[in-house]
Amino acid sequence: EIVLTQSPGTLSLSPGERATLSCRASQSSYLAWYQQKPGQAPRLLIYDATRRATGIPDRFSGSGSGTDFTLTISRLEPEDFAVYYCQQYDTSSRMYTFGQGTTLEIK
Amino acid sequence: EVQLLESGGGLVQRGGSLRLSCTASAFTLRTYAMSWVRQAPGKGLEWVSGISGSGGNTYYADSVKGRFTISRDHSKNTLYLQMNSLRAEDTAVYYCAKKLGAGPYWDDWGQGTLVTVSS
Repeated sequence: EIVLTQSPGTLSLSPGERATLSCRASQSSYLAWYQQKPGQAPRLLIYDATRRATGIPDRFSGSGSGTDFTLTISRLEPEDFAVYYCQQYDTSSRMYTFGQGTTLEIK
Repeated sequence: EVQLLESGGGLVQRGGSLRLSCTASAFTLRTYAMSWVRQAPGKGLEWVSGISGSGGNTYYADSVKGRFTISRDHSKNTLYLQMNSLRAEDTAVYYCAKKLGAGPYWDDWGQGTLVTVSS
């Protein structure tokens, strides 16, 4: 079973600043990042660790490989404050796992 | 524009059953694998179940295996989740989600339907 550990749990930043979110996996596999705002469904931001989903602004970028991955938001906009989850798929068990989430809050 | 509309949530007693539906529009359900993902109040996301495009293959999280059944009706373009022997820990918002092509990710999600299991 894949275990995903996200850090930090909460990140307090101001609009215009750069955000760096981490996701560490127990196994090497496909990785995606999602954004979720209160009362809304998750939204796919990044897949295959580095590819932006359709319509996602280029201030969002993903990096990493193997078991260490990073989501970077280059310049925070007010609408970026939300919870971010990483997600992986275990090809052997055919199950999906999410990290526990990082809350990005306005400082 | 792709839309997924869940329904069927509500309040049910522990041990009871409920069937969730997810009706798709602007795309043909049989073309994509689909999943159900849930979120307990104030908690993170948990994958529950998945089904292949054809419907021939189904997958379940260990937490629901043997109690939940995923299925689809291509004629109605609708995905289902039959939930039996419900427990308090099944209380959550349930989202249906469409796979991004062949990749193990979901690019379209419904708005969710709340299931509350009372003890």
